[in-house]
Amino acid sequence: DTEVTQTPKHLVMGMTNKKSLKCEQHMGHRAMYWYKQKAKKPPELMFVYSYEKLSINESVPSRFSPECPNSSLLNLHLHALQPEDSALYLCASSQVRHGSYEQYFGPGTRLTVT
Amino acid sequence: RKEVEQDPGPFNVPEGATVAFNCTYSNSASQSFFWYRQDCRKEPKLLMSVYSSGNEDGRFTAQLNRASQYISLLIRDSKLSDSATYLCVGTNAGNMLTFGGGTRLMVKP
Repeated sequence: DTEVTQTPKHLVMGMTNKKSLKCEQHMGHRAMYWYKQKAKKPPELMFVYSYEKLSINESVPSRFSPECPNSSLLNLHLHALQPEDSALYLCASSQVRHGSYEQYFGPGTRLTVT
Repeated sequence: RKEVEQDPGPFNVPEGATVAFNCTYSNSASQSFFWYRQDCRKEPKLLMSVYSSGNEDGRFTAQLNRASQYISLLIRDSKLSDSATYLCVGTNAGNMLTFGGGTRLMVKP
């Protein structure tokens, strides 16, 4: 089973709202990732968690706050977003944090900031 | 220069055709390569890993040429359902995945 689940599928939020995106995997993977993807562009890495610790933050604005409560779960807390943050947010996981291991993506959350 | 570069296409081919995509990479130390397929408004799905010896999975064949730093994907007997964007993926200096811009394939009846 190579399933990564994400909720919600769609989210519309105002610039003053606080919301959270959730991601879950039960493959025993120890690395989890958040990506942002704009239309007709490839995914852009935002954060990497390895063994539940944040190991990479690709200079993401502080209005995005990741959290890894346990080895299966990954959250992305959103606060005071801008309209340009509207995008598809993808979660992925891999066995460990190393490029030689395949990453499996969840279906994404399509976020619209109004 | 982008780390992984692909022709964005679109490649418009008839059903049954053979189509090949190439991509080039700049990090000569990159060890791992993958092809992902992404349908419109969906997530990328792993199509195949690319091994040094090349690998084949049904109608799909991936090749790696380290000397010229390019990766190829060959699709034989194209189906309508093969229409998608194909993402070439390598690894950067930090050993994280780095994505090409994607090549769009449209298979027509």
